[in-house]
Amino acid sequence: NAGVTQTPKFQVLKTGQSMTLQCAQDMNHNSMYWYRQDPGMGLRLIYYSASEGTTDKGEVPNGYNVSRLNKREFSLRLESAAPSQTSVYFCASRVKFQGNQPQHFGDGTRLSIL
Amino acid sequence: TQLLEQSPQFLSIQEGENLTVYCNSSSVFSSLQWYRQEPGEGPVLLVTVVTGGEVKKLKRLTFQFGDARKDSSLHITAAQPGDTGLYLCAGPNLYTQGGSEKLVFGKGTKLTVNP
Repeated sequence: NAGVTQTPKFQVLKTGQSMTLQCAQDMNHNSMYWYRQDPGMGLRLIYYSASEGTTDKGEVPNGYNVSRLNKREFSLRLESAAPSQTSVYFCASRVKFQGNQPQHFGDGTRLSIL
Repeated sequence: TQLLEQSPQFLSIQEGENLTVYCNSSSVFSSLQWYRQEPGEGPVLLVTVVTGGEVKKLKRLTFQFGDARKDSSLHITAAQPGDTGLYLCAGPNLYTQGGSEKLVFGKGTKLTVNP
């Protein structure tokens, strides 16, 4: 059972470079989320998608864009990377947008920007 | 914005000891979830508490939701090295647009259980 798969697992970028973080889930979930996790800051929501074709900003969306390519895939793009975006990025999915269903997380992408 | 404050931030104990970690807010939550995150992995759900005063047990872990639904606690009995990890509480963010379906996370308690 793959669950939520994130690629790449590690990445080093130079300031100003762009890249796309990929996320795919095989659980037929409707909702997908992107978080960043920084020491002492917990998990902060960047963007989310309640269903295929919709995306909305979370707590810290500046400097990021997202695409809900289809029901399975939700990508996060950094157009011009900055050192402040050095973080661990987690993608998550949930079966429905409402209710107490758990979020299922991938294992993260560790991104360093020099 | 609803905030969840977790304490302590760090906890290092010996195998066999008991411990309690806390998740507190000044706001009411309709439910709270507890996740455990091991190094190099994403968080994994342990439990969801929904009713004020609710107590749920998961082997040696006991979760309680406060009567007023503003706080929760996690008690571990006879901790083992396998319990090591970051414990996160999370709840639906009811006070922002579309917030009921977005989770707000506490900053977590990092637990180390030494053999």
